[in-house]
Amino acid sequence: DQQVKQNSPSLSVQEGRISILNCDYTNSMFDYFLWYKKYPAEGPTFLISISSIKDKNEDGRFTVFLNKSAKHLSLHIVPSQPGDSAVYFCAASASSRGGSNYKLTFGKGTLLTVNP
Amino acid sequence: GAGVSQTPSNKVTEKGKYVELRCDPISGHTALYWYRQSLGQGPEFLIYFQGTGAADDSGLPNDRFFAVRPEGSVSTLKIQRTERGDSAVYLCASSLAGANVLTFGAGSRLTVL
Repeated sequence: DQQVKQNSPSLSVQEGRISILNCDYTNSMFDYFLWYKKYPAEGPTFLISISSIKDKNEDGRFTVFLNKSAKHLSLHIVPSQPGDSAVYFCAASASSRGGSNYKLTFGKGTLLTVNP
Repeated sequence: GAGVSQTPSNKVTEKGKYVELRCDPISGHTALYWYRQSLGQGPEFLIYFQGTGAADDSGLPNDRFFAVRPEGSVSTLKIQRTERGDSAVYLCASSLAGANVLTFGAGSRLTVL
């Protein structure tokens, strides 16, 4: 069973507009959530994260929103730029006994294309 | 090094052969992870090292897969008797102890013919 779901395989937006990428999860033990960006032939690169004690985290053009009751998070990119075109992975983790969140569960990813 | 380094970047082998994939983590990162990404899927957890020991190997699919990190730095993922279903990109990541954010390498693409 897939514990982290990204139901949109792809998304296309115009440069300057907002991109909204969505992610749903089923495991209520998840308490830390991350977004990674991946370009072809490169490894995933960390973008932004949020702890379950927050509902919003912002870093420049990127904002992540967490709705725990709905088990849903979203990544907003505004304004979108052509260089943002990549695959975006949502990932989640649960605190281990030692306190660290080392085991990430990833969604299948969403391919974002930002058109000039 | 500046980033996580993985070699080889590409490996083509025949069914039944033995394969080793190497990962050189960021200097000072005590935690090291192996993930596997199959086509059309997100990365899936394989194994986690804290120092030299495997703290969690619950993601290894079967006993054909084994990983070592003898000196707490470089790690090698070993796959015996490779099968076509082992074809994937094998990603290595590292982090500081207790950190929630992992830094990934570019991956080793394994193709089993």
